[in-house]
Amino acid sequence: KAGVTQTPRYLIKTRGQQVTLSCSPISGHRSVSWYQQTPGQGLQFLFEYFSETQRNKGNFPGRFSGRQFSNSRSEMNVSTLELGDSALYLCASSLAPGGGETQYFGPGTRLLVL
Amino acid sequence: AQKVTQAQTEISVVEKEDVTLDCVYETRDTTYYLFWYKQPPSGELVFLIRRNSFDEQNEISGRYSWNFQKSTSSFNFTITASQVVDSAVYFCALRATGGGNKLTFGTGTQLKVEL
Repeated sequence: KAGVTQTPRYLIKTRGQQVTLSCSPISGHRSVSWYQQTPGQGLQFLFEYFSETQRNKGNFPGRFSGRQFSNSRSEMNVSTLELGDSALYLCASSLAPGGGETQYFGPGTRLLVL
Repeated sequence: AQKVTQAQTEISVVEKEDVTLDCVYETRDTTYYLFWYKQPPSGELVFLIRRNSFDEQNEISGRYSWNFQKSTSSFNFTITASQVVDSAVYFCALRATGGGNKLTFGTGTQLKVEL
């Protein structure tokens, strides 16, 4: 069974631009979560989607948004990019939401904002 | 509030040594789940183990073993006879209803295994 896939793997953008990242979960998984990883803040939760609905959101500004499609694939968007948005963005999928479900992570998208 | 503390920032060992990675967690929930993930240089977080708060049985999987103790709020991870391929950053994480069911990660422990 294929794992979580994320595209693109690498991105370079300039301040003020916007970016869209894509995540395809493991087949059969319906819950998708996004995390941001930076050297200074570590791994931080962005949001979680299940059945096309956002179930949970982390403490990030409104510039960060996401959505989930009927096939469980998810996208996240960051508008008006700032230098501090440079990070590794990780997507994780699980069968369903809920504390006991294991989240499996993709390889991540490395975003560099210049 | 949920919190995970990994006090060891970096550990260096020589191959074949045993090494223990410490994890201390905080939560007010009675039902919660603990996880360990491994992050090699490629960046992908690799799932290693999940434990729920009602199961304090320790587990051994090959060279890996985990010691869960609710009395000390700890979930430590031991690698026996370490190998160079074990070099990675290891993250302990907590998931509980009080935390909105999101994964709360520790800051990670960088493990370097040298020949």
